[in-house]
Amino acid sequence: KAGVTQTPRYLIKTRGQQVTLSCSPISGHRSVSWYQQTPGQGLQFLFEYFSETQRNKGNFPGRFSGRQFSNSRSEMNVSTLELGDSALYLCASTQERGSRETQYFGPGTRLLVL
Amino acid sequence: GQSLEQPSEVTAVEGAIVQINCTYQTSGFYGLSWYQQHDGGAPTFLSYNALDGLEETGRFSSFLSRSDSYGYLLLQELQMKDSASYFCAVRDPSSGNTGKLIFGQGTTLQVKP
Repeated sequence: KAGVTQTPRYLIKTRGQQVTLSCSPISGHRSVSWYQQTPGQGLQFLFEYFSETQRNKGNFPGRFSGRQFSNSRSEMNVSTLELGDSALYLCASTQERGSRETQYFGPGTRLLVL
Repeated sequence: GQSLEQPSEVTAVEGAIVQINCTYQTSGFYGLSWYQQHDGGAPTFLSYNALDGLEETGRFSSFLSRSDSYGYLLLQELQMKDSASYFCAVRDPSSGNTGKLIFGQGTTLQVKP
């Protein structure tokens, strides 16, 4: 089985722009979670989608949004980028029948905001 | 709120044994998981403990004591490739049976020759 894929892998944007990141989960996985990783804050949960519905949301401003499509692929969008949004954005997919703690992460998208 | 604490750095020599501790404070608890992340890479699932005791997977073992809100990851016969960051994580109890994980800040393990 192919693993979790994320595109693009690297991105450079300027303040005020918006960005869309994409994640394709492992085939058969319907749950997709997004995390932001920074040196200062570590891994922080953004949101989780299951069957095209947002099931959980972390403590991030409304500039961060996401969605999931019927094929379980997910996108996250960040509008009005700020310097502090520079981070590694990771998505993870999970099987519904099994431990929710077993998540399979993609390689991440490294976003740099200038 | 929920929080997990683990040491920020650990150093050990090749062939040795190292233990990475994790203490947690949560309003509910399902289990403790461990992830490994090499520099620039994706976190990789290592182990999960839902019940007290030791779980062994090759050179790695993970232990949980729910009464002490404490767990650890034990790495034996250390190899240079084990140099990485290690995260403990719990499922957010307020989110029910979903995949919202809360991670510790991570422990950077440096293995020296």
